[in-house]
Amino acid sequence: AQTVTQSQPEMSVQEAETVTLSCTYDTSENNYYLFWYKQPPSRQMILVIRQEAYKQQNATENRFSVNFQKAAKSFSLKISDSQLGDTAMYFCATEASGSRLTFGEGTQLTVNP
Amino acid sequence: DAMVIQNPRYQVTQFGKPVTLSCSQTLNHNVMYWYQQKSSQAPKLLFHYYDKDFNNEADTPDNFQSRRPNTSFCFLDIRSPGLGDAAMYLCATSRGVGMTGWLNTEAFFGQGTRLTVV
Repeated sequence: AQTVTQSQPEMSVQEAETVTLSCTYDTSENNYYLFWYKQPPSRQMILVIRQEAYKQQNATENRFSVNFQKAAKSFSLKISDSQLGDTAMYFCATEASGSRLTFGEGTQLTVNP
Repeated sequence: DAMVIQNPRYQVTQFGKPVTLSCSQTLNHNVMYWYQQKSSQAPKLLFHYYDKDFNNEADTPDNFQSRRPNTSFCFLDIRSPGLGDAAMYLCATSRGVGMTGWLNTEAFFGQGTRLTVV
């Protein structure tokens, strides 16, 4: 079984600043994937970034990067140069072989002008 | 271009009246999922298809059924909706690979159908 915990129900940041969203997870698997998904007010969920657990290098996608600490089972998302369009619910998720995506409870991020 | 399309976007149904939600995809993905998402909660997987193989989650109520007549379409049937079934229902697809259909590509989600039960 897998569990994902996001301890920050809501966060806010000023436009152009940097914000970090926290996520911890628990899994008994050795091989798994970690994801951050974004769900804007329009409600369509889209993938922000993906990390393969066997890779030590942290994934980066433009302004989005992760800090993956495998031993601590921590997977935080850093958003640099925040933009108004980043306002959304962010879900951390994990998936292991034979198991489906398991989502955390989400963090509502608001970017203020 | 829309890749995972859910119809309708909003559905109102009467308590106990069967309702069907639909999902279509243009990605030719072999895996399709149905999630239930209640307000301010994480999406909860109801079931998924790997090709034609149906996989039900252990805690999905019998009230929820699904059909996948072909690769492109998948339906969620709620036989007797209760007030507690009011939620957003999300359809997603992925390209499952390997014997277990392990997702190692991203899941693509539709915009969801918001179901209201009156």
